[in-house]
Amino acid sequence: SSELTQDPAVSVALGQTVRITCQGDSLRNYYASWYQHKPGQAPVLVIYGKDNRPSGITDRFSGSRSGNTASLTITGAQAEDEADYYCNSRDGSGDHVVFGGGTKLTVL
Amino acid sequence: QVQLVQSGAEVKEPGSSVKVSCRASGGTFGNYAINWVRQAPGQGLEWVGGIIPIFGTVKYAQKFQGRVTITADESTATAYLDLGSLGSDDTAVYYCASPHTEYQLLSNFDYWGQGTLVTVSS
Repeated sequence: SSELTQDPAVSVALGQTVRITCQGDSLRNYYASWYQHKPGQAPVLVIYGKDNRPSGITDRFSGSRSGNTASLTITGAQAEDEADYYCNSRDGSGDHVVFGGGTKLTVL
Repeated sequence: QVQLVQSGAEVKEPGSSVKVSCRASGGTFGNYAINWVRQAPGQGLEWVGGIIPIFGTVKYAQKFQGRVTITADESTATAYLDLGSLGSDDTAVYYCASPHTEYQLLSNFDYWGQGTLVTVSS
């Protein structure tokens, strides 16, 4: 079982805002990173650290953390945002990496 | 910009082992960690382990301890994942991934290889 918990599925209407969450005790000490994963492609890092976007990632993606919960917010969701989203961070020991179970985002 | 290119698909019998390679270009190979992440059919992403070549530091997920070995050859800028005692549940796409920041093993994964499908079947 994963030490990071995500909702299996979330939906959002086109152009609306959606928040995808990731819960875990280790998130009190470590930031989460977020990855977008589409079928047949390699995952893409979209958010890391406190709220940092790699070069080339749209500013519609933002990140935050409160207590043991990290969140990925997509503002003005587009059809191309439909994908699986995974959080990752360190585990409770701080000595290994762990991924959340993933959230399937559907854009309606 | 770092680029990671992985070896081709493999079909292995149960109980055997597989070795997947990941060749890096575009950076100083030894300074950047190479991690391995897999995705089994219908499942999520799972961290297998990683290495920082210049230090020889290696970490493995506890689930794979004892049957996984990650190595790196700085002369060819290539990292390897060696997984033994294969079972059908090891059927997955295996990715190598690397952070943007030097000397960080357990960091975010900025760069990814294209993935290698390993099928375990008799």
